[in-house]
Amino acid sequence: GAGVSQSPSNKVTEKGKDVELRCDPISGHTALYWYRQRLGQGLEFLIYFQGNSAPDKSGLPSDRFSAERTGESVSTLTIQRTQQEDSAVYLCASRRGQGAYEQYFGPGTRLTVT
Amino acid sequence: QQQVKQSPQSLIVQKGGISIINCAYENTAFDYFPWYQQFPGKGPALLIAIRPDVSEKKEGRFTISFNKSAKQFSLHIMDSQPGDSATYFCAARTYSGGSNYKLTFGKGTLLTVNP
Repeated sequence: GAGVSQSPSNKVTEKGKDVELRCDPISGHTALYWYRQRLGQGLEFLIYFQGNSAPDKSGLPSDRFSAERTGESVSTLTIQRTQQEDSAVYLCASRRGQGAYEQYFGPGTRLTVT
Repeated sequence: QQQVKQSPQSLIVQKGGISIINCAYENTAFDYFPWYQQFPGKGPALLIAIRPDVSEKKEGRFTISFNKSAKQFSLHIMDSQPGDSATYFCAARTYSGGSNYKLTFGKGTLLTVNP
């Protein structure tokens, strides 16, 4: 079946602008994660959605970052007033749910803030 | 407490050789240790994983060795091939009840296998 998809694949924006990144998880996956991957770095956890529970926002680096997910479907990550240090690849992953271990990653959105 | 330290940062191996990547952790609450493989322009994909109640797991040419007392685990790639050239990430799971868990990732190892 279809994997995790993300859009856009690349985004170039000017400093100070807002951006919205989209993630379409695998159908039926109740858990969804957002990560940030800076050049040459590991994956940095941002936020986690599990079904209808309150999201775990503990990894969001500042209040300029927010994310939403409606039910078990699409999620959007919004970065307001972008800064150059926000330049990174933003990865989304989904997981089937209770008892499942594996996270399936999308290809990521490469964000460049000029 | 949440950190996972990975080494080396980069590794060059000749075709047919053994690639070894090491990870260490401090948090004894971690309960699952996966390795992910990432090719350029792609998201990471699960390669192999281990739970701390076993010391070794082998899948084809890939083996995880786990040392619970030393809080270390490693990935061994036998008979390394140019197609194995990728970035490898170790990770460790924090379980917070129900279906809730998070992965903490190492910083990655860029493996290059020369033909």
